[in-house]
Amino acid sequence: DAKTTQPPSMDCAEGRAANLPCNHSTISGNEYVYWYRQIHSQGPQYIIHGLKNNETNEMASLIITEDRKSSTLILPHATLRDTAVYYCIVRVRDNAGNMLTFGGGTRLMVKP
Amino acid sequence: DAGVIQSPRHEVTEMGQEVTLRCKPISGHDYLFWYRQTMMRGLELLIYFNNNVPIDDSGMPEDRFSAKMPNASFSTLKIQPSEPRDSAVYFCASSLVAELYGYTFGSGTRLTVV
Repeated sequence: DAKTTQPPSMDCAEGRAANLPCNHSTISGNEYVYWYRQIHSQGPQYIIHGLKNNETNEMASLIITEDRKSSTLILPHATLRDTAVYYCIVRVRDNAGNMLTFGGGTRLMVKP
Repeated sequence: DAGVIQSPRHEVTEMGQEVTLRCKPISGHDYLFWYRQTMMRGLELLIYFNNNVPIDDSGMPEDRFSAKMPNASFSTLKIQPSEPRDSAVYFCASSLVAELYGYTFGSGTRLTVV
């Protein structure tokens, strides 16, 4: 799996958009970008994934650059409950046996 | 569905004792994963099963660790004998092959070995 690089921490004001970047310059053509988050004392939670088109669901939006070497997870209106560690992971989809490997992630602190 | 269910939520045991952690995956999921999380090493994959068969246990730290999945609805992770360095949060996760919604994780078991 391609490696990813994320900033270790970020702050965001409550109600504002949180934009979390991820670099994955060695991504392969069949690898998807996945985002998970882990709220304190809970198990990781799946957020969204995408291949090359931008994706949106009820939780977030995922913007992938045209060359697919980087992406941004957007939480449009961050709340205090969005304070968590956010993990960007690149891997082949449709193969759950291609193990999900977590890096250090970005610790997002949403402040009042 | 109630999600992935792990028990117990907390376990405190003395060094040398046997510890058994339990997991009930989401019904219909083909894959089951055991992860361990510590401050020093983050989230580490220990072992995973496909259709109840262990596929890759290369993450299991030592022979003291063993995992079983006797049927599609139950898995155990056993540590015997336990040591203080085994103290961590252990997560179980399950997934469909197609992974439409990623892995679903349980709430974890916080293990403390004293």
